[in-house]
Amino acid sequence: GAVVSQHPSRVICKSGTSVKIECRSLDFQATTMFWYRQFPKQSLMLMATSNEGSKATYEQGVEKDKFLINHASLTLSTLTVTSAHPEDSSFYICSARSGGRGETQYFGPGTRLLVL
Amino acid sequence: DQQVKQNSPSLSVQEGRISILNCDYTNSMFDYFLWYKKYPAEGPTFLISISSIKDKNEDGRFTVFLNKSAKHLSLHIVPSQPGDSAVYFCAAINTGTASKLTFGTGTRLQVTL
Repeated sequence: GAVVSQHPSRVICKSGTSVKIECRSLDFQATTMFWYRQFPKQSLMLMATSNEGSKATYEQGVEKDKFLINHASLTLSTLTVTSAHPEDSSFYICSARSGGRGETQYFGPGTRLLVL
Repeated sequence: DQQVKQNSPSLSVQEGRISILNCDYTNSMFDYFLWYKKYPAEGPTFLISISSIKDKNEDGRFTVFLNKSAKHLSLHIVPSQPGDSAVYFCAAINTGTASKLTFGTGTRLQVTL
């Protein structure tokens, strides 16, 4: 099956610092990658959609200057949480989709961010 | 506006029996549906999907049924196993747009011995 990895799996940082989360598709080329956020006991909330080589499309209410997304290659997308604050603490999950594999999105294991 | 709904937040089933998880949607433009399984602090794992041109798709112990007129889909797991205990999310896509997944709120399945 398709494998998507995320790094780091867990990060603790001080308020005001920036944190970068990597999402990699390991055995396929991802034409599109998605970034989600999950709040406790809630469903996944789509933050943004990124296509390789182009700017990310952000969902309504998501600050693009705060959550910087880069999709530099067909196997790597990064999410940078800039000037993180405690309210940014959450579980961030990426998914990847390859056109050759149809519409199915394959998810990474998630990154737990805790901002102190 | 919750376009994909899973009205049962939890379900308990005995091992060996059938688990039926339900999902309703409101957007008639959705034409592709997926089921994911999720453990706490992990990413969702893809289980099975179905296109709107079909009404049934089967993969091992998992079968998804789609009733387009009722805008309803269900996931059947038979026989249920303790390892199936997890939260199950249904998701829908309008393939004519950006292929964004719209998730339901999830159903927690507990398979008991």
